[in-house]
Amino acid sequence: TQLLEQSPQFLSIQEGENLTVYCNSSSVFSSLQWYRQEPGEGPVLLVTVVTGGEVKKLKRLTFQFGDARKDSSLHITAAQTGDTGLYLCAGAPDAGGTSYGKLTFGQGTILTVHP
Amino acid sequence: DAGITQSPRHKVTETGTPVTLRCHQTENHRYMYWYRQDPGHGLRLIHYSYGVKDTDKGEVSDGYSVSRSKTEDFLLTLESATSSQTSVYFCAILSTGSYGYTFGSGTRLTVV
Repeated sequence: TQLLEQSPQFLSIQEGENLTVYCNSSSVFSSLQWYRQEPGEGPVLLVTVVTGGEVKKLKRLTFQFGDARKDSSLHITAAQTGDTGLYLCAGAPDAGGTSYGKLTFGQGTILTVHP
Repeated sequence: DAGITQSPRHKVTETGTPVTLRCHQTENHRYMYWYRQDPGHGLRLIHYSYGVKDTDKGEVSDGYSVSRSKTEDFLLTLESATSSQTSVYFCAILSTGSYGYTFGSGTRLTVV
C-alpha cells in the first residue's frame, strides 16, 4: 500500500506571510496532484506534476515534484485570506492496468489565513 | 468542466438499513470512483469502475457494494448501514487530459 504523509496538518498564518506544505512518501508515483477543498464542496484540482524535478507555478502558488518522484511541495507566496482551505496532495501509482487512476491521498493540510 | 452530480446531498439513516448513493456524470468518462472523507484520514477509495459492469474494490470496501449498469451512473450501496459509515462520500471521474479527478459536491451521510 502506498502512503503519502502530508505536513503540517494545520497551518495558521497572517495575510502576507509565505508558507510551504510538504507531501512525502517512500513510494514512487507516476504523477502527483494538488487539490484545494472548501467546506461543503468537493476537492478541486490545482495542478498535476508528472516529471521528476518539475516545477509549476500558478500565480502565487509554486508546486515542485521531487527528483525521485516520491515527494512534492506546495509553496504559497504572500498568502491571502482567499487561500484559506484544505489542501490535499494525491499520488498516482507507478503502474498501469487496473491501478490506473487509483490515487493515494495525503491526510490534508488545513490552512487558515488571518487578515 | 465535466458535469458530475451526487444525490442526495445529505442523508440521515438508521443503523441496519440499506442506503444507496448516486453519482451521475454527463461526459461519458470511463473511469469513476467512490471515496469517503473522514477527519485525519484524508480521502480513502471505496470502489471504482473502469467501464460498464467493470468494478473493483478499493482500500475500504467492506460493507459497501457498487453497480454501474450505464456509463453515466455509478451507484454506491451500504448493505446494512453502521455508525462507522457516517462520513462524507465523494464521487469522482478521471479527467484524462489533466490526469486528475473532477469531484462531485459530496453526500454527507449520518448513520444513527
